[in-house]
Amino acid sequence: DVKVTQSSRYLVKRTGEKVFLECVQDMDHENMFWYRQDPGLGLRLIYFSYDVKMKEKGDIPEGYSVSREKKERFSLILESASTNQTSMYLCASSSGLAYSYEQYFGPGTRLTVT
Amino acid sequence: AQSVTQLGSHVSVSEGALVLLRCNYSSSVPPYLFWYVQYPNQGLQLLLKYTTGATLVKGINGFEAEFKKSETSFHLTKPSAHMSDAAEYFCAVSAPGNYGGSQGNLIFGKGTKLSVKP
Repeated sequence: DVKVTQSSRYLVKRTGEKVFLECVQDMDHENMFWYRQDPGLGLRLIYFSYDVKMKEKGDIPEGYSVSREKKERFSLILESASTNQTSMYLCASSSGLAYSYEQYFGPGTRLTVT
Repeated sequence: AQSVTQLGSHVSVSEGALVLLRCNYSSSVPPYLFWYVQYPNQGLQLLLKYTTGATLVKGINGFEAEFKKSETSFHLTKPSAHMSDAAEYFCAVSAPGNYGGSQGNLIFGKGTKLSVKP
């Protein structure tokens, strides 16, 4: 079974703090993704990566950065957390093969910024 | 560009009744289509997917969906709802080139919350 793990299920941070969200997958997938999920807005793509050290902006990259130094690990960084970044953050991975675009999701991190 | 519309943000059915969750998509190329389910405080889990071939796709937990190209639809159905089906359901579409030619990106609908009454 594909497993995607996220470092924390719940996180509470203060405004202005630097926040790291970690994601690890164990299936040697090329592609990794970070989404945020808010009620009524569905999933919105923040950043994605299709190879080590490669990254691409998604729909809402402002206020976020990412790092992918190893194939299995994809980190999301909030440089200076703000209250409007309170949300559920979901990490996903997928194979780079064209017939298998399905994404496998981690359990999510519910981040609260106070 | 691709897009997905899910009709109805909330759907309520009685236990044992038919479940029908609607999804329409827009795509300029042959799409890959997915339905995911999310139980409270969990990540998304794949229910079923359509890539090519048979247009009626069967998934887990008794769900199925039919790809109708002429209607640009991929509605999710289950003949008899169970209390454990209460969750949020997301339809998604994928096609090469969603973002600068990168493969594997999904465009999600906004989700439909399914409630099941006893």
